[in-house]
Amino acid sequence: AQSVTQLDSQVPVFEEAPVELRCNYSSSVSVYLFWYVQYPNQGLQLLLKYLSGSTLVKGINGFEAEFNKSQTSFHLRKPSVHISDTAEYFCAVSRSEKLVFGKGTKLTVNP
Amino acid sequence: ETGVTQTPRHLVMGMTNKKSLKCEQHLGHNAMYWYKQSAKKPLELMFVYNFKEQTENNSVPSRFSPECPNSSHLFLHLHTLQPEDSALYLCASSTGFGDRGYGYTFGSGTRLTVV
Repeated sequence: AQSVTQLDSQVPVFEEAPVELRCNYSSSVSVYLFWYVQYPNQGLQLLLKYLSGSTLVKGINGFEAEFNKSQTSFHLRKPSVHISDTAEYFCAVSRSEKLVFGKGTKLTVNP
Repeated sequence: ETGVTQTPRHLVMGMTNKKSLKCEQHLGHNAMYWYKQSAKKPLELMFVYNFKEQTENNSVPSRFSPECPNSSHLFLHLHTLQPEDSALYLCASSTGFGDRGYGYTFGSGTRLTVV
């Protein structure tokens, strides 16, 4: 079975600081991995995805994630965050032709 | 505009009411999903439709009744709900059930409050 663990439920940072949101997955087979963002009172929006190939994946809004097979991780990073990045971020993995989501990490960017 | 439109955005209903949530997509997708998002809980997959056929029902109470008349429209009919059913209900679509690499496109959700 595949599951997703987001290690931090809340991450507060200051504006222009770097941020890393952690995600680990468990799977015995090759996986497809995703990061979604949810702004207040909105649905989920795809940030980026890893299917195969380069382990460093670039997404929208300056985010990137690195797939690490040996550590079964897919951490999301941004070198300099903005107030507008305040949102909840969800990591997801394909399982049995469905997406399984982590519990989410609330990123709060403070001025 | 996300490509998946949900109406209404907000709904307040009494426990004896009957209401319906609507989801519409014009992305040419063939699979549609209902998710429930409650505070402090992970996203819960409720129903999956692939080419208008229901392929999954995750032990959802019968007071929630989905309907998928075509690949572009999905409804969630609600009746005799409980206060614990208050949540954000999200609709999503994908190119097809089994297209693991494409991810889902989500609507903005319906915020449901049961009083």
